[in-house]
Amino acid sequence: DTAVSQTPKYLVTQMGNDKSIKCEQNLGHDTMYWYKQDSKKFLKIMFSYNNKELIINETVPNRFSPKSPDKAHLNLHINSLELGDSAVYFCASSKRTSGIKETQYFGPGTRLLVL
Amino acid sequence: KQEVTQIPAALSVPEGENLVLNCSFTDSAIYNLQWFRQDPGKGLTSLLLIQSSQREQTSGRLNASLDKSSGRSTLYIAASQPGDSATYLCAVRSEKLVFGKGTKLTVNP
Repeated sequence: DTAVSQTPKYLVTQMGNDKSIKCEQNLGHDTMYWYKQDSKKFLKIMFSYNNKELIINETVPNRFSPKSPDKAHLNLHINSLELGDSAVYFCASSKRTSGIKETQYFGPGTRLLVL
Repeated sequence: KQEVTQIPAALSVPEGENLVLNCSFTDSAIYNLQWFRQDPGKGLTSLLLIQSSQREQTSGRLNASLDKSSGRSTLYIAASQPGDSATYLCAVRSEKLVFGKGTKLTVNP
């Protein structure tokens, strides 16, 4: 059973389109995250939600909007896609934000290619 | 601003060799440090988590050490196997998790 799942696994789209990536975790965790891994393989946090509440919002364009309908889901919606948005997007979850002993569990990633 | 550096960027060794991967970070005010493994086309798998108060953690053939004061961690892999081939990422946790670029390890049969 997949602990953190993402759909789709691959996404190829045209510049200017709007797309969404879905993430679900079945671990009963309170906190979920979105990370972006660019072409240089640097993995950087974008957003973090704890119990559906936004707690970390890094400097990402307003075109990126996370949505958490419930504790088990954190979806990423991207408007007006640009070439530079091409990357691998990873979803992750952990038991508690303030739990310094907690490890984060990562999904398999969504490979987004903007043409 | 926390920065995490991993050396070397790539490493190729023959099967059976013991090896060490290095990680350094600029701000020693961390809660913990994690080592992850990333396989091509797959997500990240957490290997070891060391709390800031700990010096090392062991799991099977893996041993990770932490010297918080000097901002360094090492991941020691004993008796390497071809299945160990992957990219190994180091990440430090303070307010958020900050990753290094990783070391791509290839273990040749």
